[in-house]
Amino acid sequence: GAGVSQSPSNKVTEKGKDVELRCDPISGHTALYWYRQSLGQGLEFLIYFQGNSAPDKSGLPSDRFSAERTGGSVSTLTIQRTQQEDSAVYLCASSFRTLHLGETQYFGPGTRLLVL
Amino acid sequence: AQRVTQPEKLLSVFKGAPVELKCNYSYSGSPELFWYVQYSRQRLQLLLRHISRESIKGFTADLNKGETSFHLKKPFAQEEDSAMYYCALKGGNEKLTFGTGTRLTIIP
Repeated sequence: GAGVSQSPSNKVTEKGKDVELRCDPISGHTALYWYRQSLGQGLEFLIYFQGNSAPDKSGLPSDRFSAERTGGSVSTLTIQRTQQEDSAVYLCASSFRTLHLGETQYFGPGTRLLVL
Repeated sequence: AQRVTQPEKLLSVFKGAPVELKCNYSYSGSPELFWYVQYSRQRLQLLLRHISRESIKGFTADLNKGETSFHLKKPFAQEEDSAMYYCALKGGNEKLTFGTGTRLTIIP
């Protein structure tokens, strides 16, 4: 079956422009996560959705970052007025929970963002 | 606050030798611990979790609450084990906190 997909796979933009990154989770997964991986850093949590609501936005680095999820499925992460320090790989994950194994997060291939 | 430390950025091991990737965590409650792996040009994928106590691709990891560690081990390294390995922790909230990763290279 199809895994988590993200688009675009690569994005080059100019400083100050807005960008939108898209995530299509695995069908039926109710939870969706956004992470960021900067050069030489680990994965940094950004935001988490349960259905369409975001109980945890604690990782968003500034008010230039926002995310939404509609229909309990697709999510978009928007970065306004991009800065060079926003350059990173943005990863999306979706998950389901089983009684015995708890939750498993499945990751997409990521969007590599370069801000010039 | 929850934190995961992977002290080794790079680790090189000869084929057939034992492998140990270190992971230490900081969390006041009872965490869920995971190892994720990213092979070259592939997406991040779950390798194993402490809750299932399984062995995947010959790898095992034991949660040691006294030492707050979750080291990943394999008795005999294989060339296809070369990859980036991330240790991750899930605490009371739903997010995963990742370490900075260890790049494992198996020398033929």
